Amino acid sequence: KAGVTQTPRYLIKTRGQQVTLSCSPISGHRSVSWYQQTPGQGLQFLFEYFSETQRNKGNFPGRFSGRQFSNSRSEMNVSTLELGDSALYLCASSFLSVAGVAGELFFGEGSRLTVL
Amino acid sequence: AQRVTQPEKLLSVFKGAPVELKCNYSYSGSPELFWYVQYSRQRLQLLLRHISRESIKGFTADLNKGETSFHLKKPFAQEEDSAMYYCALIGSNYKLTFGKGTLLTVNP
Repeated sequence: KAGVTQTPRYLIKTRGQQVTLSCSPISGHRSVSWYQQTPGQGLQFLFEYFSETQRNKGNFPGRFSGRQFSNSRSEMNVSTLELGDSALYLCASSFLSVAGVAGELFFGEGSRLTVL
Repeated sequence: AQRVTQPEKLLSVFKGAPVELKCNYSYSGSPELFWYVQYSRQRLQLLLRHISRESIKGFTADLNKGETSFHLKKPFAQEEDSAMYYCALIGSNYKLTFGKGTLLTVNP
């Protein structure tokens, strides 16, 4: 079956702009979680959605937001971009919620955002 | 606050040698612990989780609550084990916290 798909794979924005990233989970998976990966901070949890509800949120400012649709596809949005937002944004899906079971996460290839 | 520490950014061993990737955690309750691996040009993927007590690709990891450690071990490293390894923890707040990773290089 198809894996987790993230679009776009690469994008370049300028400071102050906003960006929307998309994630299509594996068919049947209801949980989608997002992570920011940077060389300095490693992988940091952004938020998790399960059945269209945000189940958990990491320690990121309100400029970072997300949502999940009824087909489990998820989007994350970053407004008023800053240089420090340059990172690889990873999406992961799982059948059950990360909160509900210590199960396996399936990761996408990521969206690499560069903010100039 | 929960924290995962992987003290080695880089680890280099020779093929056939034992390998141990260290992971220490800080958490007051009973965590769920995992090792994820990212091979070159591949996606991040689950290697093993402590609750299943599995041995995957010859790797094992034992949770030591006294030392708050979850070190990943393999008795005989193979070249194909070269990858980035991440230790991760889920606590009662249900947030997945990753360590910063260890890049393992297995030399021929």
